[in-house]
Amino acid sequence: AQSVTQLGSHVSVSEGALVLLRCNYSSSVPPYLFWYVQYPNQGLQLLLKYTSAATLVKGINGFEAEFKKSETSFHLTKPSAHMSDAAEYFCAVNNNNAGNMLTFGGGTRLMVKP
Amino acid sequence: EPEVTQTPSHQVTQMGQEVILRCVPISNHLYFYWYRQILGQKVEFLVSFYNNEISEKSEIFDDQFSVERPDGSNFTLKIRSTKLEDSAMYFCASSAGERAPLHFGNGTRLTVT
Repeated sequence: AQSVTQLGSHVSVSEGALVLLRCNYSSSVPPYLFWYVQYPNQGLQLLLKYTSAATLVKGINGFEAEFKKSETSFHLTKPSAHMSDAAEYFCAVNNNNAGNMLTFGGGTRLMVKP
Repeated sequence: EPEVTQTPSHQVTQMGQEVILRCVPISNHLYFYWYRQILGQKVEFLVSFYNNEISEKSEIFDDQFSVERPDGSNFTLKIRSTKLEDSAMYFCASSAGERAPLHFGNGTRLTVT
C-alpha cells in the first residue's frame, strides 16, 4: 500500500524566509509524486509533479521539490515566502501504475508572518 | 483557464435523505474523479470514471454511492441514504489522460444533520 506522511501539520515562517514543507512517501513501485495547494474556500491546485524525469522539479509560484529516492522524500521548498503563500499544502502519491488514484498526506498549513 | 465547477457549494441534508452532488469537468477531459475530505482528516479517493464506467473505487465507495455522467457535460455523485459520517467536503476532479494531472473543483461541503 502507498502512504504519504507530512511532518508538521502547521508551519510558520516570516515573510522573506525559506519555506520547507516535508513529505515522505512509501510506495512499492516507482512513484509519481505531487504537491497541491489549497487556498481558503477553494479547490486543490497543482503546484508541481514528479514523474520519473528530473529529480528537481520546479512548479508554479516559485516552489520546487526534490525527489530523493534514498530518503523516500519529496520536500517542497521556496527560497523566500510571500504573504500570499499562506495556504494548506498537500503531498500526494499516485497509487498505482495505471491510473490516477492519489493517496494524500494529511496536509501542512503554512502561515506567513509579516 | 478552463476549470472544474461544482454545485452547490454547500448542501445541508437530513440523515437518510438522498443527495446529488454535481460537477462539470473540463470539457476535453476524459477521466473523472470524486474525492472527499472529512473535516480535519486527509483527502481520500472515492472513485474514478472513464468511458462511462467506474475504473477504480475505494472501500469508502460502497453501495450507497453511485456516479453518473448523464450527458456530455455533467458528472454526478449520488448518496442514496445519507449518514452523519458522510458530512465532508466532496471534490470533483478531471484529467485529460490516465496519468495527467488532476484538476480539482472548489468542492461541495455536505452537512448531514
